Amino acid sequence: GENVEQHPSTLSVQEGDSAVIKCTYSDSASNYFPWYKQELGKGPQLIIDIRSNVGEKKDQRIAVTLNKTAKHFSLHITETQPEDSAVYFCAASQGSKLTFGTGTRLQVTL
Amino acid sequence: DARVTQTPRHKVTEMGQEVTMRCQPILGHNTVFWYRQTMMQGLELLAYFRNRAPLDDSGMPKDRFSAEMPDATLATLKIQPSEPRDSAVYFCASGWNMGNTIYFGEGSWLTVV
Repeated sequence: GENVEQHPSTLSVQEGDSAVIKCTYSDSASNYFPWYKQELGKGPQLIIDIRSNVGEKKDQRIAVTLNKTAKHFSLHITETQPEDSAVYFCAASQGSKLTFGTGTRLQVTL
Repeated sequence: DARVTQTPRHKVTEMGQEVTMRCQPILGHNTVFWYRQTMMQGLELLAYFRNRAPLDDSGMPKDRFSAEMPDATLATLKIQPSEPRDSAVYFCASGWNMGNTIYFGEGSWLTVV
């Protein structure tokens, strides 16, 4: 089955700096890669996703890149703000259930 | 604003009691997932359904957990008897077919004492 590894487990950045979270996956057949943000006391919320027919996707301050050859994908957050502080999960799927990474706790300090 | 609705939001129960968690998926979604989240294990998939049929419940302890979809608007997760190690947040999520975006509810926070 699919295995998704996520790094780092915790990340602290200063407000205004960029944050990068990286994930690798094992199943080369995976073709859908969403990212979720989970705030304290809430359920994970989809923030951006990418499919294997594209290499990069942007939505305002967040972007995701995908390298299918290396089987890794990354989340980039620019101009971080305190409200970006949360736990971020990556996931991978190849037409069946999503397999999640272990999460990255992002702390944006003033 | 379509959303996945879960009840109860919080539950404290004594060991040995039955616990039932309910989920109303987003209208029109045909796949429903139950996840458990703990600090140690992260997000674990317990079971999932497509068109109300169970596809995989291998993540569930079979002796005490059961999941059903009595109709398209209701999914249930039952624990009987509950144990302290079942204390966790249980999330329901729904989506359209497999391999697509799934949307999570706010979770049911379970504490078994």
